[in-house]
Amino acid sequence: ETGVTQTPRHLVMGMTNKKSLKCEQHLGHNAMYWYKQSAKKPLELMFVYNFKEQTENNSVPSRFSPECPNSSHLFLHLHTLQPEDSALYLCASSQELPEGVRFTLHFGNGTRLTVT
Amino acid sequence: RKEVEQDPGPFNVPEGATVAFNCTYSNSASQSFFWYRQDCRKEPKLLMSVYSSGNEDGRFTAQLNRASQYISLLIRDSKLSDSATYLCVVNPGAGSYQLTFGKGTKLSVIP
Repeated sequence: ETGVTQTPRHLVMGMTNKKSLKCEQHLGHNAMYWYKQSAKKPLELMFVYNFKEQTENNSVPSRFSPECPNSSHLFLHLHTLQPEDSALYLCASSQELPEGVRFTLHFGNGTRLTVT
Repeated sequence: RKEVEQDPGPFNVPEGATVAFNCTYSNSASQSFFWYRQDCRKEPKLLMSVYSSGNEDGRFTAQLNRASQYISLLIRDSKLSDSATYLCVVNPGAGSYQLTFGKGTKLSVIP
């Protein structure tokens, strides 16, 4: 299934590096999301874009910087990360707002990030 | 109280067994509820939405109890391929993007 594609699959970076995660969705959806999944923690919403406009920033540190150039692409720019930022970063998309039982989030396969 | 609480398991059950998971939520105004499935080292995928009257999809049955603020997932005739982590997901209200995820319940179906 290639509805939501994330690259790279794995990333190891030092605390002084700058890197970017990329997400692309081929589903014609209007909303895109970044989630963080750490070991033994529930998924945490980081950012939401609806029609390319950022609608949610869940008190995420400024060392994470999202970019949404169009409805199909989403980036997460990383700089001066900390070891505790090591996690699985999941991109997701949806057709509309999460309202009602018909709502579905479509996730990408994630980028496993390790900060050394 | 945690917003969405699940027993982390693991639940180790033999093939063919029936297993049930519960999930409690703290926000009484929550509007919609879902079960997602996440295989090891893979992304979560929607398993089923939970309707107010309860709903069934093959071997899977989901129930909602608003009075007690819990939802349940019942899996009958467990298959090896059912082994995964099951995430309880709650939408707290209209217009909110803040789907709240539980930590998940791990299920291992044993031959």
